[in-house]
Amino acid sequence: QSALTQPASVSGSPGQSITISCTGTSSDVGGYNYVSWYQQHPGKAPKLMIYEVSNRPSGVSNRFSGSKSGNTASLTISGLQAEDEADYYCSSYTSSSTYVLFGGGTKLTVL
Amino acid sequence: QVQLQESGPGLVKPSQTLSLTCTVSGGSISSGSYYWSWIRQPAGKGLEWIGRIYTSGSTNYNPSLKSRVTISVDTSKNQFSLKLSSVTAADTAVYYCARGTTVTLDFDYWGQGTLVTVSS
Repeated sequence: QSALTQPASVSGSPGQSITISCTGTSSDVGGYNYVSWYQQHPGKAPKLMIYEVSNRPSGVSNRFSGSKSGNTASLTISGLQAEDEADYYCSSYTSSSTYVLFGGGTKLTVL
Repeated sequence: QVQLQESGPGLVKPSQTLSLTCTVSGGSISSGSYYWSWIRQPAGKGLEWIGRIYTSGSTNYNPSLKSRVTISVDTSKNQFSLKLSSVTAADTAVYYCARGTTVTLDFDYWGQGTLVTVSS
């Protein structure tokens, strides 16, 4: 099964807001509220930022928020900071035998 | 605080079997509503889920790798392991172990990752 579709890159200036999309199908993103988002800095392990579409784990800044409409989930980062520059991956449960799908990743550049 | 640490050879020859172990500390691998996964990332590329194991021993694998993958668990050592057979250069990647939550279906704790290179 194909990976979830994310834009390869997005950029924004400090203080601005950006949104990263994650498009799947009715068998994954659209069919279940099990979408999660991960932040990965170079050379580091991914870090869970959002789970179940819109929930933040303890310790994650409230500048990070998630939502979903149809087969597309979105991660919004408000008040961009230099430290937000990283790769971001979405993930979803899928009813296929693959069980877990990841997006191809989006590189966020803070200008 | 749960911590995961991968260990194993960093270099594997083509056609041989890649073997990695993940040691879990800061909590019992058997407690709570969790499963234990392996995820890999080729250099400059995205994440690929390899498979998972529950402490009951039940496993699920990515269909694209299923014929070559075995994941096992040793609860007495608080470890789980990955074996990937008949490796090629395409299996060169950073391999992560991660804890998955059965309720929210996300990965809340990850190991630091270990680079495995397939080369003669």
